[in-house]
Amino acid sequence: DSGVTQTPKHLITATGQRVTLRCSPRSGDLSVYWYQQSLDQGLQFLIQYYNGEERAKGNILERFSAQQFPDLHSELNLSSLELGDSALYFCASSEDSSQETQYFGPGTRLLVL
Amino acid sequence: ILNVEQSPQSLHVQEGDSTNFTCSFPSSNFYALHWYRWETAKSPEALFVMTLNGDEKKKGRISATLNTKEGYSYLYIKGSQPEDSATYLCAFNQAGTALIFGKGTTLSVSS
Repeated sequence: DSGVTQTPKHLITATGQRVTLRCSPRSGDLSVYWYQQSLDQGLQFLIQYYNGEERAKGNILERFSAQQFPDLHSELNLSSLELGDSALYFCASSEDSSQETQYFGPGTRLLVL
Repeated sequence: ILNVEQSPQSLHVQEGDSTNFTCSFPSSNFYALHWYRWETAKSPEALFVMTLNGDEKKKGRISATLNTKEGYSYLYIKGSQPEDSATYLCAFNQAGTALIFGKGTTLSVSS
């Protein structure tokens, strides 16, 4: 158990809908990272937050957004969902910078029908 | 475009065999290299973070080396066991950038 929690574990929704994925980092970790794992793709970095502020942005679509709250939990919002958004979404956390070990949550498997 | 290449893509060995995989990354502006172990139906678990050229890290039967000048890292598993079966991911970043992951090497160990 990494200490990072993600909810929900599974999510099935329809195209055009909007969903919110939630992540709670390990106690004491200030950085939260979101990744997408699609079929035949490696882990793709989406976005990083550090202590409430956006720190780095990767290949995140404009239809996706994220935020980190004062209690350091983070939410990833996916809107106008398309079939291709079906993937495993991981959250990871670290104490500070991306030089440090990142601890991954169990992931949320999203299926868009 | 920064890219991390891992080889082989998959590997099947017998219990007791020793094995190694390669991770290649851009050698310029190196900051850190991470190795993760990812078992089916679980989340990636950190093995090593390496930051200095020539770094060698060891955890039990698993060890890793790093060459930042030529842009590669090797992961070694000595005396593979069935419980070592997993996908091994490496990830690299430059200063101020996010981790870029390779697609992994999937190891299968038969008893």
